[in-house]
Parts: sequence; C-alpha cells; structure tokens
Amino acid sequence: EPEVTQTPSHQVTQMGQEVILRCVPISNHLYFYWYRQILGQKVEFLVSFYNNEISEKSEIFDDQFSVERPDGSNFTLKIRSTKLEDSAMYFCASRENRGQYEQYFGPGTRLTVT
Amino acid sequence: TQLLEQSPQFLSIQEGENLTVYCNSSSVFSSLQWYRQEPGEGPVLLVTVVTGGEVKKLKRLTFQFGDARKDSSLHITAAQPGDTGLYLCAGNLGEGGADGLTFGKGTHLIIQP
Repeated sequence: EPEVTQTPSHQVTQMGQEVILRCVPISNHLYFYWYRQILGQKVEFLVSFYNNEISEKSEIFDDQFSVERPDGSNFTLKIRSTKLEDSAMYFCASRENRGQYEQYFGPGTRLTVT
Repeated sequence: TQLLEQSPQFLSIQEGENLTVYCNSSSVFSSLQWYRQEPGEGPVLLVTVVTGGEVKKLKRLTFQFGDARKDSSLHITAAQPGDTGLYLCAGNLGEGGADGLTFGKGTHLIIQP
C-alpha cells in the first residue's frame, strides 16, 4: 500500500542552524501538507501546498519557514534559523485531489534543537 | 480557544466493555477524520465522515458525524487490548477540504486485559 515517507527520522541541530526536512508524498497525490506536534501537545497545521505554490499557511508558518517541491517526488520543509521552540515532531501529509478529504500522514521527523 | 474538544481526555476500561468518545466544536466542519496515533509515530487514518448524520463502521468501531456537522463520536464495542492508543479527531473548516486539518488533543484509551 502506498505511503508517505519522511527523512530523517530524527534530526538534532544547534540553535540558529538551518534544517531541511524531507518528505515523499504518495505518488498520485496533488495536495501536500506539513504539520508539527510539540511533545505532549496537539498536532498543528503549518502549511498546505498545491500546484507548486502555498495554498494556505498558519500563524506558526512565519518567514523562518519555507516549503519546496524541488522535483516530481520530494516535498521539503526548511527552517532557516532554528530556535529551541522549534523542537517538535514534524509530519508530512498528502491528499489525492480536491474531491477527497482524506489526508495520509508520514511517520514524522523528530527535530531536536539544542 | 480550542476549536475541537475531545472527551474524555483519558479513559481506562476493562476488556470486553463498550465505550464512546466524543469530539465537539462550535464550528461547522466540511469533513471530519478520526486518526489513531501511537507514541512517536504519525497519525493513522481510521475514517472520514462528510455528510451530517453519517454513520460509518469499521469492524467494532462505529463513527458518527452530527447532523449539524459540529460534532462526532467514536463507539467501540467489546474493546480489546489492541484498541489501546491515542484517538484523534481532525476536521476541515473549509468547503472542498483544501485547507489544513484542525486537530483535537485526543483521547488516551487504555484497555486492560
């Protein structure tokens, strides 16, 4: 069964460093998302991406964040200058098309900022 | 302000019992999904409900979407230890489902043998 994959599974970085989290959405899906989950808290929406542009973003998704689909398979989240409070699980999700509501999540990347 | 409130937050019952957990909001959702999440893993989709009043069954799990599309429930019949986990509800506020999901905090369910 097709699934969303994410790399790395765990990333440790120092405050102020740039990180890139990578996702491979399900191959025929058109909508892509990033969410984060701080330890012990609920899953929070960051950004949605369709047709090579951002379609919606939350208040969390400030200028330090960017997303890109550099090729036909990868979808990346970049954090330019990480802060301690960026430590969280980051989940990528994908959805097939506008008529389908289901979002399928990847296993997540645990980001630890020290 | 929490858009989606889940209750109870924690529930521990004996194997074989029935249970219902709830997901409530003052907002209308175009769709609502239920996920199950294991520690350190991503949410796994269980079901999507779209139409007000809709009922969907997945083996011993029954999901219902409220008539006004503001609330949902998950009922488990004859709970088993394998049902233990965190159950999350998440909804789309926009029509067409183009926007991001709004998640509840979840119900931590423990089924004791």
